[in-house]
Amino acid sequence: GAVVSQHPSWVICKSGTSVKIECRSLDFQATTMFWYRQFPKQSLMLMATSNEGSKATYEQGVEKDKFLINHASLTLSTLTVTSAHPEDSSFYICSARSGQDLYSNQPQHFGDGTRLSIL
Amino acid sequence: KQEVTQIPAALSVPEGENLVLNCSFTDSAIYNLQWFRQDPGKGLTSLLLIQSSQREQTSGRLNASLDKSSGRSTLYIAASQPGDSATYLCAVFGTASKLTFGTGTRLQVTL
Repeated sequence: GAVVSQHPSWVICKSGTSVKIECRSLDFQATTMFWYRQFPKQSLMLMATSNEGSKATYEQGVEKDKFLINHASLTLSTLTVTSAHPEDSSFYICSARSGQDLYSNQPQHFGDGTRLSIL
Repeated sequence: KQEVTQIPAALSVPEGENLVLNCSFTDSAIYNLQWFRQDPGKGLTSLLLIQSSQREQTSGRLNASLDKSSGRSTLYIAASQPGDSATYLCAVFGTASKLTFGTGTRLQVTL
C-alpha cells in the first residue's frame, strides 16, 4: 500500500516551454503533498507544501509564479514549471501524506521523481 | 534551524557484514524520524518511521533506534546484501511541520 505515482519520469524540452508534472496517491487520501527538488549528489530541498483545496505554501527563495502548484483533489497534485530555462533542469520529487493535522505523524510516501532537462 | 548530518558519507562493505549508519540532528524537538533509501535516479522508499515517543523500530533485517534527547538515530542493517546498495537518507519531522533531510550515506555492498 501507500503508493505515490509521479508522471512523467523524464522530460526533455526547449527553453521557454511550460512543463506539468503530476503526482497521484493511488491507494490513500493525500491530505498534504510536498514538492522537492534534488540536485546531483545532494539531498532533497523542499520547494512547497500543499493541502487539498488550499493554496500552496512556498519555501523561502522559491518563485511561486515560476513553480505553480495545484492540489485540487485528495489524490492529485500538479507542479507546473512555467517558461522553463536550463537552470530549472533538475530532479523533481513529490511526496504525499495522509492525516489532517499539520503535525501529522503519518509517514510521507514519495514518487519516483521526474528528471527535467531544459535545452 | 534544524540541521541533520549523516556519517559516514560513503561506506563500502563486503556482503554478509552487519553495518550501522548514523544520523544526528541539532534540534531535539521532533515529532518523528524516518529512514529512506534512494536508488540512483529514483525517488525515495520509506524504510522505517520512529515516533518521538519510541526508541526503536524493526523491519526485517533493518533496525532503527532513536535517542531524541541526544539528537541521534542509527540504522542497523544485518547480513548486508548487494541489493542493499543505495543511498540512505534520514529525515526528521519537527516543529516547522516539514521533513528536514540529512546529507545521506552512499552504501555499496560488494560480492
